[in-house]
Amino acid sequence: KQEVTQIPAALSVPEGENLVLNCSFTDSAIYNLQWFRQDPGKGLTSLLLIQSSQREQTSGRLNASLDKSSGRSTLYIAASQPGDSATYLCAVPYNNNDMRFGAGTRLTVKP
Amino acid sequence: DTEVTQTPKHLVMGMTNKKSLKCEQHMGHRAMYWYKQKAKKPPELMFVYSYEKLSINESVPSRFSPECPNSSLLNLHLHALQPEDSALYLCASSRRGGGGGLTDTQYFGPGTRLTVL
Repeated sequence: KQEVTQIPAALSVPEGENLVLNCSFTDSAIYNLQWFRQDPGKGLTSLLLIQSSQREQTSGRLNASLDKSSGRSTLYIAASQPGDSATYLCAVPYNNNDMRFGAGTRLTVKP
Repeated sequence: DTEVTQTPKHLVMGMTNKKSLKCEQHMGHRAMYWYKQKAKKPPELMFVYSYEKLSINESVPSRFSPECPNSSLLNLHLHALQPEDSALYLCASSRRGGGGGLTDTQYFGPGTRLTVL
């Protein structure tokens, strides 16, 4: 059974800091992994989708890495800004009939 | 048009009411999804429509009834809900349908905040 875990649950950093969010999954036979951002009370915005054959995927200040063998993905945010404050979730498709999400990391970037 | 829209934004209903949630996308996506998200929890998949046909029903109670009138529109009909059904209901779509839909980038709507009294 696929379990997805995100650590830490919450993170507070000063503006300008580089930071790393972690996502772990128990079944390494994944097809891909997606990182999403969710603002309070809003829908999810897809940030990056990293295929199982890829090691990294980049979009602007965001970089996602994937290590299937160890069951881990990280989301690196460079030069954080107050506008990056949100909850970040990772998700993996499972068994062709489900999408398993982590519980998310709530990020606060202080000006 | 690269967005998924959902109406209404907020809905309050009693346990004997019948109401519907609506979702629309005009991106030509072949799969559409309903998720339920309780406060401070991750989304949980409820229904998947692929090529306008219900392909996955994650054992959701029958008081939730999905409908896909056409490839752009997805409804969720609600009847005799319980207070524990109060949640944010999210609609999403993906370009591919069939088995590849859930492995494709998911585009989410803003959600409908449902409160059941």
